[in-house]
Amino acid sequence: DGGITQSPKYLFRKEGQNVTLSCEQNLNHDAMYWYRQDPGQGLRLIYYSQIVNDFQKGDIAEGYSVSREKKESFPLTVTSAQKNPTAFYLCASSIGSQNIQYFGAGTRLSVL
Amino acid sequence: DQQVKQNSPSLSVQEGRISILNCDYTNSMFDYFLWYKKYPAEGPTFLISISSIKDKNEDGRFTVFLNKSAKHLSLHIVPSQPGDSAVYFCAAPSRTGANNLFFGTGTRLTVIP
Repeated sequence: DGGITQSPKYLFRKEGQNVTLSCEQNLNHDAMYWYRQDPGQGLRLIYYSQIVNDFQKGDIAEGYSVSREKKESFPLTVTSAQKNPTAFYLCASSIGSQNIQYFGAGTRLSVL
Repeated sequence: DQQVKQNSPSLSVQEGRISILNCDYTNSMFDYFLWYKKYPAEGPTFLISISSIKDKNEDGRFTVFLNKSAKHLSLHIVPSQPGDSAVYFCAAPSRTGANNLFFGTGTRLTVIP
């Protein structure tokens, strides 16, 4: 089955801790994205990557970091610098400049 | 500044009736629009789209209408079914280097059996 897999589904972060959210796709898509969703808001772009070994900041990149060492994988690290990390995080992918993006099931991050 | 807006946070409709979800946008450069459907604790799934060169696109029970002069689009679901109960987002591609999607804030549709 082709798709995007995000793990874990739920994640808890302690004060001062870095946590990493996994995103893997087997769709052979070039572009991958991380979005954040807060209650009552639309999805906001954190980081994106158009090709392997290249990624760019989105609208709300502060306190986050990413890597793109493989085409299939685009992990997101929520660092201790992100002061309000509680949100629903969504990973998406698309074929180059195609309009339609395909989403994973999301990771809900909460702070202990 | 929100470039894609959904001003109705919720909508309730009787089963079998028509659901109309609205979306407004501010950027006249947008040339493509998408509707996504999202169930709780799941990622959005693509539903239907429309290019700016069209004013209507239909797929089964779902029809999207685009009014470019008003910068307005709407999603019609007819007949509505209880399984349609979800949050619906409209979105538009940025066409910048990111080519990310700008999303509205969503409308929660509840179809009452």
